[in-house]
Amino acid sequence: AQTVTQSQPEMSVQEAETVTLSCTYDTSESDYYLFWYKQPPSRQMILVIRQEAYKQQNATENRFSVNFQKAAKSFSLKISDSQLGDAAMYFCAYRRRGTSGSRLTFGEGTQLTVNP
Amino acid sequence: KAGVTQTPRYLIKTRGQQVTLSCSPISGHRSVSWYQQTPGQGLQFLFEYFSETQRNKGNFPGRFSGRQFSNSRSEMNVSTLELGDSALYLCASSLEGTANQPQHFGDGTRLSIL
Repeated sequence: AQTVTQSQPEMSVQEAETVTLSCTYDTSESDYYLFWYKQPPSRQMILVIRQEAYKQQNATENRFSVNFQKAAKSFSLKISDSQLGDAAMYFCAYRRRGTSGSRLTFGEGTQLTVNP
Repeated sequence: KAGVTQTPRYLIKTRGQQVTLSCSPISGHRSVSWYQQTPGQGLQFLFEYFSETQRNKGNFPGRFSGRQFSNSRSEMNVSTLELGDSALYLCASSLEGTANQPQHFGDGTRLSIL
């Protein structure tokens, strides 16, 4: 079974600074997707960024980028120029490619605080 | 385009009762997945429906069931409620439910069991 681990329950960053959230996963599959979701107090899960395992290039979405290390099974999220609106719970998630449908396996989450 | 709509937003029940939660996916989306979120267990997959058929199921007891209608709307039912069923229940939809399609989540239903 696949597992996703986020070892940082809480992180904080100063506004305009950079922060990196860690995620490791365990799988025997070679083809899969990895995601970072953001959950603000409003509760809605919002997709931040997605990485396809067969792509070596790290995904980037504006101020958000990932460091994907397939051999190490590591998938960290870097947030640059942090903004107050970035404060939220961040979840790393895994999805197997193939016939398993849309099932996501989530990590425990990292609560990010942004200090003004 | 309207997002994923979950109703109700809050629900209070007592032990032994049953409850039905509703999820309306984004128009055109045929896959609907349900997740349970608790402080202790985190986010756990319940099941996925596609074209009115359950395609995938998580490790939950039979008290948790669901269904999907021809318009892709989905309902989740929990019978004989237990205190441990208190959680935020999230619904997510995607076009076909394939791995490369993003899932769009609703705001969830907060279920409290007294």
